Amino acid sequence: EAGVAQSPRYKIIEKRQSVAFWCNPISGHATLYWYQQILGQGPKLLIQFQNNGVVDDSQLPKDRFSAERLKGVDSTLKIQPAKLEDSAVYLCASSLQSYGYTFGSGTRLTVV
Amino acid sequence: GEDVEQSLFLSVREGDSSVINCTYTDSSSTYLYWYKQEPGAGLQLLTYIFSNMDMKQDQRLTVLLNKKDKHLSLRIADTQTGDSAIYFCAATGTASKLTFGTGTRLQVTL
Repeated sequence: EAGVAQSPRYKIIEKRQSVAFWCNPISGHATLYWYQQILGQGPKLLIQFQNNGVVDDSQLPKDRFSAERLKGVDSTLKIQPAKLEDSAVYLCASSLQSYGYTFGSGTRLTVV
Repeated sequence: GEDVEQSLFLSVREGDSSVINCTYTDSSSTYLYWYKQEPGAGLQLLTYIFSNMDMKQDQRLTVLLNKKDKHLSLRIADTQTGDSAIYFCAATGTASKLTFGTGTRLQVTL
């Protein structure tokens, strides 16, 4: 089975610029997650989708971050405008049930 | 919400056993996981345990769960240099939300 696909793999932008990340989950996985992993820390959940509805976005900085999951499949995460502290690895994961999580390789964002 | 805690660092000698500990706060957590992350790499699922189990063994890995104390441990037998990595404990709580600990860096010395 194909894994969770993410792109781009790396991105370098200047502060105040915009950036978007893309995620294609495993086919049939209803739940999709975006995590932020700052260097030296554990992954932190930003947003969780069930099909195309939001289940939890309590830790998403909504003034600058947005995410959508069109048609309950692919998802994009956007940051506008980016700050230096947004430098991190952004991980996408999907699951069929409450225990079968599969993570993508992540997008490493550097804000300069 | 769920809070997952781990010690930051563990150093062991090659061939010894490693024990990485984790505590969590949500008593309704159904699944508990151990992930491994090598430098610059993604998260690799090592093993998981369902909350109605006390122990799970998988080759060199042994997971112990004390549900009363909300304590999880991962034992790696015969630790090798290739086991050097950061190990994350994670717990599934309400609505399948997966919460990670801060990670334990395992250093294996010769």
